[in-house]
Amino acid sequence: EPEVTQTPSHQVTQMGQEVILRCVPISNHLYFYWYRQILGQKVEFLVSFYNNEISEKSEIFDDQFSVERPDGSNFTLKIRSTKLEDSAMYFCASVPALAGSTDTQYFGPGTRLTVL
Amino acid sequence: QKEVEQNSGPLSVPEGAIASLNCTYSDRVSQSFFWYRQYSGKSPELIMSIYSNGDKEDGRFTAQLNKASQYVSLLIRDSQPSDSATYLCAGYTGRRALTFGSGTRLQVQP
Repeated sequence: EPEVTQTPSHQVTQMGQEVILRCVPISNHLYFYWYRQILGQKVEFLVSFYNNEISEKSEIFDDQFSVERPDGSNFTLKIRSTKLEDSAMYFCASVPALAGSTDTQYFGPGTRLTVL
Repeated sequence: QKEVEQNSGPLSVPEGAIASLNCTYSDRVSQSFFWYRQYSGKSPELIMSIYSNGDKEDGRFTAQLNKASQYVSLLIRDSQPSDSATYLCAGYTGRRALTFGSGTRLQVQP
C-alpha cells in the first residue's frame, strides 16, 4: 500500500542552523501538508501546498519557514535559523483529491527535530 | 471555546470492555471528522472518518456524530491492550487544514 515517507527520522541541530526536512507524498496525491507536534502537545497545522504554491499557512509558519516541491516527488520544509522552541515532531501529510472537507489526510512517520 | 476539545484522560478500561472516547467542536469546524490513533512517538494513524449524523461502524470501532450537539465520539468494543494509545479527534476548520484536539489517552488493562 502506498505511504508517505519522511527523512530523516531524527535530526539534531544547533540553534541558529538551517534544517531541511524531506517528505515523499503518495504519488497521485495533490495536496500536501506539514504539521508539527511539540512533545506532550497537540498536532498543529503549519502549511498546505497545492499546485506548486502555498495554499494556506498558520500563524506558526513565519518567515523562518519555507516549503518547496523541488521535483515531482519530494516536498520539503526548511527552517532557516532554528530556535530551541522548534524542537518537535514534524509530520508530512497528503490527500488524494480536492473533495474538500471530507479529504482523508495520510500522515508520514514524522521527523523528530531536536534543537540544542 | 477551543475548536476541537477532548478530555485528556487517561481513560482506563479492562480488556474486553467498551471504551468510549468523546470530542466536542465549535462552529468554526466543518462537520466532517476524523479519528486518529497515535502511539507514543509515532504519527497519527487514521481509524475512522464520519461526515453524516448518526453512527458509522467499522469492525470493533463505531463513530457517532451529533451535529446538533456538536459532539463526536468513538466507541471501541472488545478493547485490547494493543488499543492503548492516544486517540485524536480532528476536523477541518473551514480551510483545508485539520485542527486536532489534544487527544485522549486510553489504557486497556489486561
